[in-house]
Amino acid sequence: AQKVTQAQTEISVVEKEDVTLDCVYETRDTTYYLFWYKQPPSGELVFLIRRNSFDEQNEISGRYSWNFQKSTSSFNFTITASQVVDSAVYFCALSDPIYNQGGKLIFGQGTELSVKP
Amino acid sequence: GEEVAQTPKHLVRGEGQKAKLYCAPIKGHSYVFWYQQVLKNEFKFLISFQNENVFDETGMPKERFSAKCLPNSPCSLEIQATKLEDSAVYFCASSPGEGVYNEQFFGPGTRLTVL
Repeated sequence: AQKVTQAQTEISVVEKEDVTLDCVYETRDTTYYLFWYKQPPSGELVFLIRRNSFDEQNEISGRYSWNFQKSTSSFNFTITASQVVDSAVYFCALSDPIYNQGGKLIFGQGTELSVKP
Repeated sequence: GEEVAQTPKHLVRGEGQKAKLYCAPIKGHSYVFWYQQVLKNEFKFLISFQNENVFDETGMPKERFSAKCLPNSPCSLEIQATKLEDSAVYFCASSPGEGVYNEQFFGPGTRLTVL
């Protein structure tokens, strides 16, 4: 069965610090997709990134970067020079690979990030 | 529309009453998903549709929950005889479902409170 684990329940940092959110996943399938979503205090879910299992290149988008390592089944997310606006709950998710074009998402428990000024 | 719309934003029901939630997916999207978020963090998949057909209903509590996506109407999620544990935020998401896998676009959610 698929599973996503975000072991860090809460993280608190001071503005401008770098912070890494961990995500470990379990799946028996060779084809799958991984995602990160942000849920700010207002409650909506904001899509951040999608990565397929065949693409292990790291990705950088502004202050955000993602490290995907199949060998350790991890898809970690780093925020560089954090800002107060980064305060939110961040979710890592794995797609159900059986239905490649419409698979449900399996979410981790979320990591609540608090960035203090 | 360009965004997934969910109504109502908030819904309060007494235990045992019926609750009905609505979702209008992004125009042109073929897939609709319903998720339940309990206690702020935990997401649970409920059901998905491909157009008006049920695609995956493995997460649906069969006894009291039902859902539909009819042509030219918003999709709906209905809970008969609500229980306290149904209190949650219910998110709808839609996906284009064409060619390479696309991400799911989430609506703002409906907060259901069962008293």
